[in-house]
Amino acid sequence: GAVVSQHPSWVICKSGTSVKIECRSLDFQATTMFWYRQFPKQSLMLMATSNEGSKATYEQGVEKDKFLINHASLTLSTLTVTSAHPEDSSFYICSARDPNRYQETQYFGPGTRLLVL
Amino acid sequence: AQSVAQPEDQVNVAEGNPLTVKCTYSVSGNPYLFWYVQYPNRGLQFLLKYITGDNLVKGSYGFEAEFNKSQTSFHLKKPSALVSDSALYFCAVRDRAGGYNKLIFGAGTRLAVHP
Repeated sequence: GAVVSQHPSWVICKSGTSVKIECRSLDFQATTMFWYRQFPKQSLMLMATSNEGSKATYEQGVEKDKFLINHASLTLSTLTVTSAHPEDSSFYICSARDPNRYQETQYFGPGTRLLVL
Repeated sequence: AQSVAQPEDQVNVAEGNPLTVKCTYSVSGNPYLFWYVQYPNRGLQFLLKYITGDNLVKGSYGFEAEFNKSQTSFHLKKPSALVSDSALYFCAVRDRAGGYNKLIFGAGTRLAVHP
């Protein structure tokens, strides 16, 4: 099946620093990737849709300058949490669509747990 | 706006018994519905989807879901539960608002299968 990886799997950082999370499609090229945030015992909330070669589309209420998304290639999208604060601590999950499979299906990465101290 | 609801926070089932995880939807137009499973500290794994065609959809790991238009439901089922099925299950619907195909997830249902 389609494989999506994330790196790192977990990260601890100090308040005020920036953290970059990578999302890669390993065996397919993904023109569209998605970034989600999940709080403990809650559902996934879509943060933004990342399109290769263009600006990301952010959901209402998500700060563009806080969560920088770069989709520089067909296999890599990055999410940078800038000037992280404890309230940014969460589980971040990316997904990607494989254009060679049914395009409505998203394949998810394993997630990145961020803890901001 | 498209939405799905999962009315149960948790479902408890004995191993070997049939299981049902409920999902209802509210959409304009034809619904594109999905089920995903999440194991602890992991991303989501695709189980199955309904786009069109047969109302009974078969998916991974022996799961199936029944699309019921009159009841606007898409319940996930399995004839015989395994302890290893214990996980968090999400129902989702496609939303095309803004020109992008997005998934809107339900709140999730935790399935606990007891030996």
